[in-house]
Amino acid sequence: KNQVEQSPQSLIILEGKNCTLQCNYTVSPFSNLRWYKQDTGRGPVSLTIMTFSENTKSNGRYTATLDADTKQSSLHITASQLSDSASYICVVGEETSGSRLTFGEGTQLTVNP
Amino acid sequence: DGGITQSPKYLFRKEGQNVTLSCEQNLNHDAMYWYRQDPGQGLRLIYYSQIVNDFQKGDIAEGYSVSREKKESFPLTVTSAQKNPTAFYLCASSIRTGGTEAFFGQGTRLTVV
Repeated sequence: KNQVEQSPQSLIILEGKNCTLQCNYTVSPFSNLRWYKQDTGRGPVSLTIMTFSENTKSNGRYTATLDADTKQSSLHITASQLSDSASYICVVGEETSGSRLTFGEGTQLTVNP
Repeated sequence: DGGITQSPKYLFRKEGQNVTLSCEQNLNHDAMYWYRQDPGQGLRLIYYSQIVNDFQKGDIAEGYSVSREKKESFPLTVTSAQKNPTAFYLCASSIRTGGTEAFFGQGTRLTVV
């Protein structure tokens, strides 16, 4: 069964600090990996999307990495801000059926002043 | 503004009643999706549509129905057959299925009273 596991489940950091969120997946055949940010009670918003040939992609203070060999991805947030407090969701797409996305449960990040 | 709109934001339903959630997009996207989000779980696919007048069941389609009569609209009906309908429902669209960007609406929170 295709799975996406994220760690940690929750994380609390101080404003200005960096943090790294992890994502391990077993989805096969792999098509793409996405990171989304979801504020409480809102829809997810895309941060990055990477295909098999990409191993890093940045979006402002967010940098995602992908190791397709070990089936791991990370999302690094630099110089965190209070507005970064949200759930970060790792999503993996299958090659054979692009509509099939497997969602992780998310990492709940809280940034405190 | 271009985007994907869900309405209403909050919905209350009595047990035994059907209710329809609205999803409209003006992004000219062919593919549209409905997901259900429960606390502590990843998003789960209910139905998806790759083109007008066509739709496919997702992983948890039982107790739900959809239609795709127009490219812009993909309403979801939660029927009385859905045993546990209280959840956060998210609609998404993408240019096509496959490794393309998916844009989410702001969600509808359905509560059965």
